[in-house]
Amino acid sequence: ELKVEQNPLFLSMQEGKNYTIYCNYSTTSDRLYWYRQDPGKSLESLFVLLSNGAVKQEGRLMASLDTKARLSTLHITAAVHDLSATYFCAVGENSGYALNFGKGTSLLVTP
Amino acid sequence: KAGVTQTPRYLIKTRGQQVTLSCSPISGHRSVSWYQQTPGQGLQFLFEYFSETQRNKGNFPGRFSGRQFSNSRSEMNVSTLELGDSALYLCASSHDLRETQYFGPGTRLLVL
Repeated sequence: ELKVEQNPLFLSMQEGKNYTIYCNYSTTSDRLYWYRQDPGKSLESLFVLLSNGAVKQEGRLMASLDTKARLSTLHITAAVHDLSATYFCAVGENSGYALNFGKGTSLLVTP
Repeated sequence: KAGVTQTPRYLIKTRGQQVTLSCSPISGHRSVSWYQQTPGQGLQFLFEYFSETQRNKGNFPGRFSGRQFSNSRSEMNVSTLELGDSALYLCASSHDLRETQYFGPGTRLLVL
């Protein structure tokens, strides 16, 4: 069974600081997704990572994938309040079509 | 391009009743997946359909079922509702496996 672990689960950071969220998964996969969820809302797609060494950037967020280490990171640069949300990583099963989600990282950016 | 739509958005039912939720994918998307989100269990996969065929089912009891129509619209049904079925039910669509899955706004189900 594919298990996905995110850490930290809660993160409070000051505006302007950098931080990294980690996503580890237990078995081989060839697709990893990052999503953002605002309170009471649905999931917004941030990144799709499909190969070892893939790196994608959008604004202050950068995601990377190391399939050998079974690790993805979401790096936040110079955080701003608007980035406050819950961030999920989701890993696709090689033998199926399901996405297995981590528990999410609840990020709060304070002045 | 219109996004994934789900109806109804909110639903209140009592234990023992059944419920049907609907999902219309983004135009051209043939894969539709359903997920249940609860504070305790997080996001859990229910099932995935592609061209009217269920390709994958998650670890949920048989009370949870679904189907997909020829126009790719999908429905899921929960029979004999239990209190623990209270959740946000999310539908996602994509062209296929290795592409972005776009999520709808969800149906929030409360079972009393």
